[in-house]
Amino acid sequence: GEDVEQSLFLSVREGDSSVINCTYTDSSSTYLYWYKQEPGAGLQLLTYIFSNMDMKQDQRLTVLLNKKDKHLSLRIADTQTGDSAIYFCAESIQGYSTLTFGKGTMLLVSP
Amino acid sequence: NAGVTQTPKFQVLKTGQSMTLQCAQDMNHEYMSWYRQDPGMGLRLIHYSVGAGITDQGEVPNGYNVSRSTTEDFPLRLLSAAPSQTSVYFCASTDGGPNTEAFFGQGTRLTVV
Repeated sequence: GEDVEQSLFLSVREGDSSVINCTYTDSSSTYLYWYKQEPGAGLQLLTYIFSNMDMKQDQRLTVLLNKKDKHLSLRIADTQTGDSAIYFCAESIQGYSTLTFGKGTMLLVSP
Repeated sequence: NAGVTQTPKFQVLKTGQSMTLQCAQDMNHEYMSWYRQDPGMGLRLIHYSVGAGITDQGEVPNGYNVSRSTTEDFPLRLLSAAPSQTSVYFCASTDGGPNTEAFFGQGTRLTVV
């Protein structure tokens, strides 16, 4: 079955880089996503990567995909206190209409 | 541009009561979904719809019903609320294309006592 795993917590200092890791089990995953959830809010799409790509960069965000190991990572450069949130890794399988989420990684950025 | 609107934002129910969580989107999206978010569990899919008149079960459908009579609306019904249904519920919509995002509502925080 489908399973997405993430580390639960990451603490970094402002200005450092943050790397959030995710593993997934379903090799038929087509797209992999990173969502951000701030306290009391819904989910905001940060970025996504197609399964035939190795890397995608979008401003401070870099996504790396190792399809052989089914490993996905999100790197946030120059992390700011406003980046403190829960980050969810998600995969789409059922024709893109639904997502399977990891449990989320809480990122805490200290000044 | 409202996007995905969920009502109510907060609700307290007694065990055994029924209620409907409303979800509406104004983006003409075909695909809509309901998720529940529990501490340490991430988001789990309850039900989803790929178009008006079509619904299907997700990972945790028991105790919930849905219908999709229009493209815009996708209500979630709790038939007989139980404390295990205490959660934050999110509705999402997407046009189904893989390189477009799923838009989420702000969530409904439900407590069943």
